[in-house]
Amino acid sequence: TAGITQAPTSQILAAGRSMTLRCTQDMRHNAMYWYRQDLGLGLRLIHYSNTAGTTGKGEVPDGYSVSRANTDDFPLTLASAVPSQTSVYFCASSPTPHSYNEQFFGPGTRLTVL
Amino acid sequence: GQNIDQPTEMTATEGAIVQINCTYQTSGFNGLFWYQQHAGEAPTFLSYNVLDGLEEKGRFSSFLSRSKGYSYLLLKELQMKDSASYLCAVPSGSGNTGKLIFGQGTTLQVKP
Repeated sequence: TAGITQAPTSQILAAGRSMTLRCTQDMRHNAMYWYRQDLGLGLRLIHYSNTAGTTGKGEVPDGYSVSRANTDDFPLTLASAVPSQTSVYFCASSPTPHSYNEQFFGPGTRLTVL
Repeated sequence: GQNIDQPTEMTATEGAIVQINCTYQTSGFNGLFWYQQHAGEAPTFLSYNVLDGLEEKGRFSSFLSRSKGYSYLLLKELQMKDSASYLCAVPSGSGNTGKLIFGQGTTLQVKP
């Protein structure tokens, strides 16, 4: 079982360009999440989805959009990248959206915006 | 609002015991998580406490005091592979979402 996969592993992107970070899980988890991790700031939630067809905003949603067309996939799109979006992005999932569930994290995507 | 505070860095010796503290402020309490993250890797779940007291899981134990807004992670018989960041997190808002607020993490360096 692969668990959660993310693509690409790393990317260098010119400012102003758009990009979609991909996230796929094969655990049939209902809830999925996108975080960014920056030195000194820890993990911060960008967007989340409690179940297929629904999404919600986290702590730092500006400049990002998500969709949840099915259970397995939860892509994150940067419409017009800016240097402050340079970060490591982690996708995560949990069986249900309830607070007591542990979250399973993907390997991350390291994004550099120049 | 919600806030989590934990030390930025700690150093300990192989074979020793180390305690990593976490204090939190939340508008409502729905448990507290500890995750481990090795450099360049994804976070992995260590523990979840929702009731006061100590929960032991092998070499790792986690303690919670809801009245004090305080938790700690206790690592015994330290091994070199325990060098990692340890992240404290609490659910945000109601218990019906998985939204987590993370502390900035404590980087533990285990020395021989």
